[in-house]
Amino acid sequence: DTAVSQTPKYLVTQMGNDKSIKCEQNLGHDTMYWYKQDSKKFLKIMFSYNNKELIINETVPNRFSPKSPDKAHLNLHINSLELGDSAVYFCASSTGQGAGDTEAFFGQGTRLTVV
Amino acid sequence: AQSVTQLDSQVPVFEEAPVELRCNYSSSVSVYLFWYVQYPNQGLQLLLKYLSGSTLVKGINGFEAEFNKSQTSFHLRKPSVHISDTAEYFCAVSSSGGYQKVTFGIGTKLQVIP
Repeated sequence: DTAVSQTPKYLVTQMGNDKSIKCEQNLGHDTMYWYKQDSKKFLKIMFSYNNKELIINETVPNRFSPKSPDKAHLNLHINSLELGDSAVYFCASSTGQGAGDTEAFFGQGTRLTVV
Repeated sequence: AQSVTQLDSQVPVFEEAPVELRCNYSSSVSVYLFWYVQYPNQGLQLLLKYLSGSTLVKGINGFEAEFNKSQTSFHLRKPSVHISDTAEYFCAVSSSGGYQKVTFGIGTKLQVIP
């Protein structure tokens, strides 16, 4: 009965590869997010989708491409991975239109290590 | 633009002692404030939030926080900590209206010492 689930939990890959992280939420939420947490625990939003539409797109290299096939899924595809992409990536979801007053529910994270 | 400052990167405290984790924010508009907790190898979980109304907000696990508009602070407190409270705590701020992103602080590591 996991609310927000991400796969895989760990991902180790070589520089230059392309990889995807999948996220699914069963909470019926309309808004989903991708966050990046770096080695210093700093958490920064990357993307936000509401009902499959992109609503927040922070300054993120275009090697990162989110895809939302339906409002319950938001996948993250990363091309040409670089060492600096190593981080923990969190998927999250919230109710409504992602207004600032709503609680975000987070997945357990995907630890990406680029070697 | 909005920002969050968590003044302490680490806070060691003995079990059953009180603790305060400090958070200051800046924003040019009305704000919503949150505290999230992250246990090891887990995602973030909401502890409490301030949207409006009473400035003293009570959350889960015995935590509470007080919104102080004049000091632009939202400090988190617990009168008696347990070993299980050892975790990373994140203060976050967002602005009212429309699609808004949440800005997180850098986190405070609470280490409860037995």
